[in-house]
Amino acid sequence: GDSVTQMEGPVTLSEEAFLTINCTYTATGYPSLFWYVQYPGEGLQLLLKATKADDKGSNKGFEATYRKETTSFHLEKGSVQVSDSAVYFCALPVRGAQKLVFGQGTRLTINP
Amino acid sequence: KAGVTQTPRYLIKTRGQQVTLSCSPISGHRSVSWYQQTPGQGLQFLFEYFSETQRNKGNFPGRFSGRQFSNSRSEMNVSTLELGDSALYLCASSSEIMNTEAFFGQGTRLTVV
Repeated sequence: GDSVTQMEGPVTLSEEAFLTINCTYTATGYPSLFWYVQYPGEGLQLLLKATKADDKGSNKGFEATYRKETTSFHLEKGSVQVSDSAVYFCALPVRGAQKLVFGQGTRLTINP
Repeated sequence: KAGVTQTPRYLIKTRGQQVTLSCSPISGHRSVSWYQQTPGQGLQFLFEYFSETQRNKGNFPGRFSGRQFSNSRSEMNVSTLELGDSALYLCASSSEIMNTEAFFGQGTRLTVV
């Protein structure tokens, strides 16, 4: 079945460091791909999305490119801030169903 | 446009009791999904409703049920609560276009003691 695999966390970085969180997927066809972020005590917020191969989603300095050759959708940010500390989830919709499959989440902590 | 609203935000219940959680989706969205989030299992899909009908169901026991009303508001019910039901329950609403993003509420934190 469809699945998403994220890099193991937690990830701890210093402010202004470069961030990469790896995400790979297994799915039927070429689904849309999403990154969600969850701040402490909150629900999930859609961070960015890509709807087809080679699309680049971007928002708040974060970027991710839909790579069908490597079935990947890695999240990157050039210079992280303390306010980026959160849990990040990669997700995809199951074909033919209004249902998302999530990776296990990566907890990111940014130290000043 | 108002976002997804879940009530209550926090609940404490005793084992064996039952609980009802409520979700109001984004205006115009007719699909409502529910997810359970726990540290051990991560985010797991419970069920999805569209136009008052359950279209998809996850792998949860029958103690977990839901419904949707004609105004698209949804409720989920958990009967005979167990300690393992302690979790963050998240509601998400989506447009009727398949395979699009979902928009989540802040969740209801259920603690079973």
